[in-house]
Amino acid sequence: NAGVTQTPKFQVLKTGQSMTLQCAQDMNHNSMYWYRQDPGMGLRLIYYSASEGTTDKGEVPNGYNVSRLNKREFSLRLESAAPSQTSVYFCASNFYSNQPQHFGDGTRLSIL
Amino acid sequence: DAKTTQPNSMESNEEEPVHLPCNHSTISGTDYIHWYRQLPSQGPEYVIHGLTSNVNNRMASLAIAEDRKSSTLILHRATLRDAAVYYCIKGSNYKLTFGKGTLLTVNP
Repeated sequence: NAGVTQTPKFQVLKTGQSMTLQCAQDMNHNSMYWYRQDPGMGLRLIYYSASEGTTDKGEVPNGYNVSRLNKREFSLRLESAAPSQTSVYFCASNFYSNQPQHFGDGTRLSIL
Repeated sequence: DAKTTQPNSMESNEEEPVHLPCNHSTISGTDYIHWYRQLPSQGPEYVIHGLTSNVNNRMASLAIAEDRKSSTLILHRATLRDAAVYYCIKGSNYKLTFGKGTLLTVNP
C-alpha cells in the first residue's frame, strides 16, 4: 500500500542550486498535482497534470517546471532555487477532476 | 476568486458530535465542496465531498445549504485521532483552493 511516494523527504539547498523533487503513485491514477505549503498556511497548487502527456499551471507556477514522465511519475524542478521557495512540497494524485486526491507525506525543502 | 471562510479553531470533547462550519458565498455552479484534514507533519487526507446534496461516508457527513453558500462537516463522535486542521475547499476542473482551515482540538 505505497500510495503516493515522494523523494527526498528532506533537502537543504543553497540559493541558485537546482533540484528535482520526485513523485510516484501506484494507484493507476490519471491526474497528478504538486502543491506547496508555507508555515501556518493552506496548500497552494503549483502545477497539475490532468492526464499523461499534459501539464497545466496552478496558482503559483513561477520558478518551477514539471514533467509527467509517465502515468506513474510526476516531477517538480527548481532551476535556480530562491529562499522564497523554502516550503513543504506535497504531491497528490486522483483518477480525475473532483475525485478524492491522495497525498504523499511531503518533501521539506530549505533554501539558504 | 475568494476562498472559503472557516473559524480558525474549534474545540470538542471526545465522543461528542462536532459541527465544523464553512462559508463559500462566491461558489459557482460547477464548484464541488471538498473537506480534507491534515495531521501534523503529514499530507492532507480526504474526508468527504459533494456538489448539491448532503453526503455521508464512514468518516463524516456533509450538509450543504440549499443555496450552496455554506456547508457543515459533521463528525458524529469525535475521537482523539480526529484532532487535526480541517480544510473546507471549493474546487472544480482539477483546482482545489485551500484556505487556512480550522484547527480542531479534541479533549479527552
